[in-house]
Amino acid sequence: GQNIDQPTEMTATEGAIVQINCTYQTSGFNGLFWYQQHAGEAPTFLSYNVLDGLEEKGRFSSFLSRSKGYSYLLLKELQMKDSASYLCAVRANDYKLSFGAGTTVTVRA
Amino acid sequence: DTGVSQDPRHKITKRGQNVTFRCDPISEHNRLYWYRQTLGQGPEFLTYFQNEAQLEKSRLLSDRFSAERPKGSFSTLEIQRTEQGDSAMYLCASSRGDRISGANVLTFGAGSRLTVL
Repeated sequence: GQNIDQPTEMTATEGAIVQINCTYQTSGFNGLFWYQQHAGEAPTFLSYNVLDGLEEKGRFSSFLSRSKGYSYLLLKELQMKDSASYLCAVRANDYKLSFGAGTTVTVRA
Repeated sequence: DTGVSQDPRHKITKRGQNVTFRCDPISEHNRLYWYRQTLGQGPEFLTYFQNEAQLEKSRLLSDRFSAERPKGSFSTLEIQRTEQGDSAMYLCASSRGDRISGANVLTFGAGSRLTVL
């Protein structure tokens, strides 16, 4: 089975940095994904890690440690539009993504 | 390409009725997925197609649920004899699924929201 844990909610100020942690225990590992989901909308792809280390993409970075079953998503220079749910997902085989419950990030002015 | 399309976006039905949702994936994607999402939760996997073949069904998918992808293009998800517990957002996603694109990123549609009264 799959067990993916992430915090339920986080709040931060516009312009600040927020780090969303994700821990996982899965029967296999073939990549870790982060998706952003605004209320009432589809999840949209943010990042993908399959090897240990940091992947940077503009204001967003994602880190993976396979030995620790741990990832984080770092959001820098927060903007109001970054208020959304952030979903950590693990692919255990060739095709299936299993998602965590999501972390709701609220950005305050 | 306009992305993954789902229809209808919203469906309100009475308990016991049948409902059908349609998904049109990105045209060059051979993999198609159905997920279900309830408020405050992440998407839960329901089923997966590679071309027209349904290769996995979750245990969440009771006998009242059936999905098809008859020509390897669009897909339908039918729920028979709906129950209030079926109320959720039904998300469709597609991906390329080839060895070149190692990430095999899923692109989601906007979802079909079902409310069973």
